[in-house]
Amino acid sequence: DTAVSQTPKYLVTQMGNDKSIKCEQNLGHDTMYWYKQDSKKFLKIMFSYNNKELIINETVPNRFSPKSPDKAHLNLHINSLELGDSAVYFCASSLAGTGSSFGPGTRLTVL
Amino acid sequence: SQQGEEDPQALSIQEGENATMNCSYKTSINNLQWYRQNSGRGLVHLILIRSNEREKHSGRLRVTLDTSKKSSSLLITASRAADTASYFCATDAGGTSYGKLTFGQGTILTVHP
Repeated sequence: DTAVSQTPKYLVTQMGNDKSIKCEQNLGHDTMYWYKQDSKKFLKIMFSYNNKELIINETVPNRFSPKSPDKAHLNLHINSLELGDSAVYFCASSLAGTGSSFGPGTRLTVL
Repeated sequence: SQQGEEDPQALSIQEGENATMNCSYKTSINNLQWYRQNSGRGLVHLILIRSNEREKHSGRLRVTLDTSKKSSSLLITASRAADTASYFCATDAGGTSYGKLTFGQGTILTVHP
């Protein structure tokens, strides 16, 4: 199936821990993104990578570090997790000028 | 800050009726997109309308765009219970934004069988 996939689907962890979320797309898209959806369902972009290069970094704390090993993968590592990091994180990909394809989301709960 | 404001925030209709959702935005755009999100799921791209287009159709969906008023509407005709979801508009400013989307707050649509 052609899609955007991300793992894990659920992540429950303690404050202060470090965790990673992985994303892969097999759509041949050249741009990948991370979005955060808060408890009020508001979606906000965090990062964008185009051909493995960081293009957009939207005032995200340094504790969040994206990594794109190749055009098909964009991972998100979060250090020293805080309660406020609890949210649903969506990976997405697109080709310029077309709609984005979103992954199923990773629900992060920080206790 | 939020680019889009959607109206209404929630809409409840009967199956077979039409549903209209509106979206306003603040800055210049390259295109505007509509997405659907079912509860607990990812977003599904519905339709993209470019800034030089005024209307677009896809199946039971009709989108209009008025760049002079910085607004768009999504019409779902002959709604079905399966259309129950949250609907988001999102703007793409183009240029160096590389497809970055700025989302509205969404409209929760409930279609009663």
